[in-house]
Amino acid sequence: QLVESGGGLVKPGGSLRLSCAASGFTFSDYYMTWVRQAPGKGLEWVSSITSSGDAIYFADSVQGRFSISRDNGKKSLFLQMNSLRAEDTAVYYCAREGGSHSFDYWGQGILVSVSS
Amino acid sequence: QSALTQPASVSGSPGQSITISCTGTSSDVGGYNYVSWYQHHPGKAPKLMIFEVYNRPSGVPDRFSGSYSGNTASLTISGLQAEDEADYYCISYTGTTTLAYVFGAGTKVTVL
Repeated sequence: QLVESGGGLVKPGGSLRLSCAASGFTFSDYYMTWVRQAPGKGLEWVSSITSSGDAIYFADSVQGRFSISRDNGKKSLFLQMNSLRAEDTAVYYCAREGGSHSFDYWGQGILVSVSS
Repeated sequence: QSALTQPASVSGSPGQSITISCTGTSSDVGGYNYVSWYQHHPGKAPKLMIFEVYNRPSGVPDRFSGSYSGNTASLTISGLQAEDEADYYCISYTGTTTLAYVFGAGTKVTVL
C-alpha cells in the first residue's frame, strides 16, 4: 500500500514537501517514482529514484526545482517541491516500479494547488 | 520527446472488442519492450493492466491483451464489460535521465 500526504494550497514561488508511506512490501528493494496529473490533463512522469537512493532522475519541467529522496528505514518516499508554479497544480501519485519498467502499485494521489 | 499518441476516445457495446493504439518513436515504443498499460478510474489509483508489451499481472482478466508493431503498441479489450469504462494510458520507458518515461495522453473508453 502507498499513501501520499503533504499536499495542499500554496502560493506561486512557495514550497511543499510530499511524502509517500509504503507498507506491505520490502520498500528498499524497489525503485520509486512520482507521477502527476494536472486538471483535465493526462499523466506525466515527474521523478524517479533508485532503490538505494544513489541515483535520481527528473523531468525537464521540474529539474532544478524539485528533489526526490527516500528513507528506506522508515519506508518513505519524498518529493520536495520548490519555486512552485501554477502549472505544477496537479494530483501527485507515488508509484512502485516493478522489475519491468512498469508501475505495479500506485497511491491514491494527493492534490497540490498552486495559486495566489 | 513528445507524449505518445493515443486516440482521445474509443467506445464499444458490451461483449464487443476494442483496440487502443499507442504510437511513439524508435526512441521509446519501438526501441524497448517496456510498454505498459494502465486503467484509471477518476479519483482512484491507476491500475497496471499490461507490462512489457504483452504480459498481464496476476488478477488482470485475460480479456485484456497487448501487442505491438514497429513504433505502435496496442491494447485490446475483448468481451467489453461495463466495468471496463475508464481512462487508459500507455507508458514507454525511454532510457534517458530527463524523460525516463513517456506517457500517452490517455484514451477514454466508453461502454455503450
